[in-house]
Order: sequence, then structure tokens, then C-alpha cells
Amino acid sequence: AQKITQTQPGMFVQEKEAVTLDCTYDTSDQSYGLFWYKQPSSGEMIFLIYQGSYDEQNATEGRYSLNFQKARKSANLVISASQLGDSAMYFCAMRERSSARQLTFGSGTQLTVLP
Amino acid sequence: EAGVAQSPRYKIIEKRQSVAFWCNPISGHATLYWYQQILGQGPKLLIQFQNNGVVDDSQLPKDRFSAERLKGVDSTLKIQPAKLEDSAVYLCASNPRDTEQETQYFGPGTRLLVL
Repeated sequence: AQKITQTQPGMFVQEKEAVTLDCTYDTSDQSYGLFWYKQPSSGEMIFLIYQGSYDEQNATEGRYSLNFQKARKSANLVISASQLGDSAMYFCAMRERSSARQLTFGSGTQLTVLP
Repeated sequence: EAGVAQSPRYKIIEKRQSVAFWCNPISGHATLYWYQQILGQGPKLLIQFQNNGVVDDSQLPKDRFSAERLKGVDSTLKIQPAKLEDSAVYLCASNPRDTEQETQYFGPGTRLLVL
């Protein structure tokens, strides 16, 4: 079974609008971390935001927020006020205590911001 | 603070040739990871080091891939002989503490093309 599922291969959003990128995960661990990364065409993996399994509040970092619904095992990324520079591949990832804390990635969502 | 360094950034070789990639993690980071990212997919862990010891190499194709981190600092990943399907980006990452709350810090990657 897939541990991280990103069902949107590609998304388009108009500049200055908000967009939600979906991520669902599968784990039986009580302690785990969820991460979102941005990968521009240049290839580097840029850390955006983190949500811990015990965190009761949704994480926020500037224009990024994470809509964490633990019972549904979803961790969607919300980007507000999209900018042209947000066009990139976005990956959801998880670290579980039971799997040596390795990062397991989803297949990614290619976001294109339209002017 | 300097980031994770990788070299070379690009490499083109013919099948059956050998190739080596180098990674220098952020100073003081005990854990080092090598990932393989095939075009259109999320990164897949190849090997994880804690200092100079291997934590997990279960997904490393050991008939052709090898990696070492002799002094617990920088690391080398080698492919010998290369196959067409090894064409990918090879990402190195590190983190100071191996917890599920900690992000990994990624290098810029090495893009390998096998002809």
C-alpha cells in the first residue's frame, strides 16, 4: 500500500488566488511527522512546512498552511496568494518512528501559476 | 551555514561505464541519506548512514551500487556498471538529529544521464 498518496498530478491556479494540494497518508505509528517540499525545475528540494502527529493546531509558515485532519489521515497544503514563482513540483512526505524515521515521498503535484 | 554540497551537478555516461557522486553534508550532521529520483517520481531512499555506519541499505541495488562514508563526514555513491534505468537525479540529504520531527536538508542533486 502507498504510504503517501498525492492524487493530483497537475494543478493550475491563477496568480493571487489560493490553491490546495492534496495529500493522504497511511501509518499505524502514533508518532510521525508530515512534511511538504517544493522542487523547482532547478532540482533542489526546498522544505516548506512541517506538521507533527501530536500537534493540535494546523501548521502555518507565511503563505503556506497545512490543513491537518488526523482522523482522515490527510495533510493538505494550502498556498495563499499564489505567485508566479510558486510554479514547481510539490511533494508531501512522512517520517515514521517505526521505519527508522526515513522520509517517504508521494509522487508529487506539478503546480503551474498562471499570470 | 553552508548547505549540503554535491558534485558533479551533471554527468553523462554510456551504459556499462562507472560513475561516482560526492556529497558533503552540513557540518555536524550525523545522519546522511542518498536518494534516487527518477523523472516524474518522488525521491526513493537508497541508503542511510548514521555517522560512518549504515542504518539502512535495503533499497540499494548492491550488485551495481555502493556507498561509503568512511570518516563519518562526506560520502561517495558509486554505480558500476551503469544501466539505462539509472538515469535519474541523485539527491543527498542530512540532518542533525534523527527524529520524526526533523526535516532533512537536501543538496542540489546530481543529474545522471546514461546513454
